[in-house]
Amino acid sequence: DTAVSQTPKYLVTQMGNDKSIKCEQNLGHDTMYWYKQDSKKFLKIMFSYNNKELIINETVPNRFSPKSPDKAHLNLHINSLELGDSAVYFCASSRGQGISYEQYFGPGTRLTVT
Amino acid sequence: GQQVMQIPQYQHVQEGEDFTTYCNSSTTLSNIQWYKQRPGGHPVFLIQLVKSGEVKKQKRLTFQFGEAKKNSSLHITATQTTDVGTYFCAGDFGNEKLTFGTGTRLTIIP
Repeated sequence: DTAVSQTPKYLVTQMGNDKSIKCEQNLGHDTMYWYKQDSKKFLKIMFSYNNKELIINETVPNRFSPKSPDKAHLNLHINSLELGDSAVYFCASSRGQGISYEQYFGPGTRLTVT
Repeated sequence: GQQVMQIPQYQHVQEGEDFTTYCNSSTTLSNIQWYKQRPGGHPVFLIQLVKSGEVKKQKRLTFQFGEAKKNSSLHITATQTTDVGTYFCAGDFGNEKLTFGTGTRLTIIP
C-alpha cells in the first residue's frame, strides 16, 4: 500500500486556469505538508497542517489555498495559474509536528503551465 | 533569510570511488536530516542527527554533525550505481520547519 499518494501525477494546463492537487496518507500521521520543487531542484516548504490546523504558511501567493478536510488528506487548490507555478509539488507527512520527525514524501505532481 | 548551502552542487565519480557532500549553515541548527532523491523520484529520509559532533553510519554511508551544529556531511564509501541521485540536507533553525539545502546531484560513471 502506498503511504503517501498524490493525484494527479502530471498536470498540464494553460495560464489563468484553476487546478487542484490531492494528497492522502495512510500512515496515521498528524502533520502534512506541501512542498514546491523548482526546475533547479530547490525544495521549499509552502504549507504545513497539524490535525487539520494550518501551522506553517510560507510567503506563498494567495492564489494557493490548501485545505485539510481531515488529518489524512491535504489538498492544494491553485487559482489563476501562472507560468512560474510550473514545478513539482510534493505532499509529505510526519508523525508529529516539528523537526524531530522524519517526513514521508508522496510521489509528486508535475505541474506544467503553458 | 536563513539558508542551508550544500557543496558541491554536482559530483561525478567513477563507480567505486568515494563521495562526500557538505552542508553549511550560517546559524546554529537544532538538528539536521538527510534525504535522498532518485532521478524522477521523491525525497526519501535517510537519517537524523541531533547532538553536536554526532556521527552515524548506515552501511557505506557516514553522516556527521559539526561540533558547532552549523555544518554536516555525508560520505559514501565505494560508490555504486544505486547511489545515483540528489542528496539533500535539511535543518531546523528553531522555527519548527525543515529548510532544505540546495542539494548535491551525484552521478556515477560505470
